[in-house]
Amino acid sequence: QKEVEQNSGPLSVPEGAIASLNCTYSDRGSQSFFWYRQYSGKSPELIMFIYSNGDKEDGRFTAQLNKASQYVSLLIRDSQPSDSATYLCAVKSFGNEKLTFGTGTRLTIIP
Amino acid sequence: GAVVSQHPSWVICKSGTSVKIECRSLDFQATTMFWYRQFPKQSLMLMATSNEGSKATYEQGVEKDKFLINHASLTLSTLTVTSAHPEDSSFYICSASELNYEQYFGPGTRLTVT
Repeated sequence: QKEVEQNSGPLSVPEGAIASLNCTYSDRGSQSFFWYRQYSGKSPELIMFIYSNGDKEDGRFTAQLNKASQYVSLLIRDSQPSDSATYLCAVKSFGNEKLTFGTGTRLTIIP
Repeated sequence: GAVVSQHPSWVICKSGTSVKIECRSLDFQATTMFWYRQFPKQSLMLMATSNEGSKATYEQGVEKDKFLINHASLTLSTLTVTSAHPEDSSFYICSASELNYEQYFGPGTRLTVT
């Protein structure tokens, strides 16, 4: 069974520090990797996607992918209280339209 | 990013009635739309996948006769919850993608069945 695993948290990080969110996946055929942010009571919002090994940076966010280790992470620099949310990792396999979601990591930024 | 809308944002209905939820892609053509359900403090659960002009593909355990999905155009999909019961109360979220790229989510519809 294809699985995506995340530490459910909660993960508490002081304001201004780096928050590191991790995700592992079991399907070696996975091709595309996504990070979504979901505030309580709201729908998920796409933050970043990454397809190739290595790092991808977008503002304060950096996604890191290591296909050999089947590992993808999201770093949030200069964490702000507004970053407090649940972060969902999602994975898609080649030729498959569907996303497989992890259960999410709840992040709290402490002022 | 791409914009997906949903209507209504919340709805209350009586047990036994039907409710229709609309999902629209506003600035792109959604070749595929997805319908999810999310219960409190749980992750998203995919209900079905629909491609424009085709019948929806339902996930295992989802009753296709209860959750009717129509994807009649490249910008509109609808989910109809038929004969709703209190256990159908949930947060229903659609997402849309163009040509199998990223999925963008609508704001969700909170359904309460009394």
